[in-house]
Amino acid sequence: DARVTQTPRDKVTEMGQEVTMRCQPILGHNTVFWYRQTMMQGLELLAYFRNRAPLDDSGMPKDRFSAEMPDATLATLKIQPSEPRDSAVYFCASGPHFYEQYFGPGTRLTVT
Amino acid sequence: TQLLEQSPQFLSIQEGENLTVYCNSSSVFSSLQWYRQEPGEGPVLLVTVVTGGEVKKLKRLTFQFGDARKDSSLHITAAQPGDTGLYLCAGLGEEYGNKLVFGAGTILRVKS
Repeated sequence: DARVTQTPRDKVTEMGQEVTMRCQPILGHNTVFWYRQTMMQGLELLAYFRNRAPLDDSGMPKDRFSAEMPDATLATLKIQPSEPRDSAVYFCASGPHFYEQYFGPGTRLTVT
Repeated sequence: TQLLEQSPQFLSIQEGENLTVYCNSSSVFSSLQWYRQEPGEGPVLLVTVVTGGEVKKLKRLTFQFGDARKDSSLHITAAQPGDTGLYLCAGLGEEYGNKLVFGAGTILRVKS
């Protein structure tokens, strides 16, 4: 039963620190997405990749966030420097198409 | 303002009752999806509807896409405690760059 995996599952950090979240997409899926979920805003798309190339990162604050896919088995989302307003659950999803997405369990980030 | 408005926001019912949740928009979508999310997990895709007026059934769940492809509903018959979760609708359309747009969700609690 193939699944998207994300690490860490929980992260508590202090304001100003760098945070790196990792995602292993399902093998064979060529589309990878990063989402952020908060109570106030719901689920928001931050960025997505197809065949490891970034297609859209318009939902991401460019000054502090960056997303990359160093290889087909790893996607990363970095925040530097982190701020309390970045506290949220970050989900990675992968799929064979942009309209068929399988979500990971998420990384719960708390910035104090 | 949410592009997809879901109602109600919260629903608490007794086991065995029927319920309907709604997903409405002023925009036309090429397809609409429903997800269920349990605490501590990512959303799981339940169904995709693509044709105006389409009705799909998944055991006790019935999904309908509006004729104009602007709205959808999810009806659950004889709800069970295992149906408890956050139900999200997500639309795909050219107006939004063919990216999934999520509603804020309906939190359903089924009491035994």
